[in-house]
Amino acid sequence: KNEVEQSPQNLTAQEGEFITINCSYSVGISALHWLQQHPGGGIVSLFMLSSGKKKHGRLIATINIQEKHSSLHITASHPRDSAVYICAVRSEGYGGSQGNLIFGKGTKLSVKP
Amino acid sequence: DTEVTQTPKHLVMGMTNKKSLKCEQHMGHRAMYWYKQKAKKPPELMFVYSYEKLSINESVPSRFSPECPNSSLLNLHLHALQPEDSALYLCASSQLGLAVTDTQYFGPGTRLTVL
Repeated sequence: KNEVEQSPQNLTAQEGEFITINCSYSVGISALHWLQQHPGGGIVSLFMLSSGKKKHGRLIATINIQEKHSSLHITASHPRDSAVYICAVRSEGYGGSQGNLIFGKGTKLSVKP
Repeated sequence: DTEVTQTPKHLVMGMTNKKSLKCEQHMGHRAMYWYKQKAKKPPELMFVYSYEKLSINESVPSRFSPECPNSSLLNLHLHALQPEDSALYLCASSQLGLAVTDTQYFGPGTRLTVL
């Protein structure tokens, strides 16, 4: 079982729809990141969360530390939001991998006009 | 300047070639990372440099050789690669490396094809 699980794997939406992408993790973490990767490769960091909720424009990210769960919401979705959204957690483990990012497999979002 | 740049964007090489990937940032970040990403998979960490010293090597084969000549530059030297090494190679940087508040800034990647 992966330490970071995302759902759904693929998501198709109509322009204007409200979108939710979920991330569950099974390790102790110090922070959780939501990343966006467009076709062609470049990765953009959207949010880093250690508690509560953050909002940036049409994007909202929440995290529930007790339930080890985070959600990324996109309001009024637009075709330019089409990308792969990746959840990554910063582990609080010990040893050489302490503090490194553990990535989920990503959710591929396609927003149709 | 909040940008991480990588060159080249694309690279095609034979199995006997020697090539280098370059990464540069001018944000004053003291941690830099190399990731490998295969198609439809998440990035896999290869190396971490912290204060220009190699701090993490995730059991990467010796045909990949990282180098951090100064705090702004990170190179990945490639020699005798295999076709299965074809992937997108991503560079990232962060302020300190292990701090809770550290955000990693990613470059656009180099798409490598090994023939």
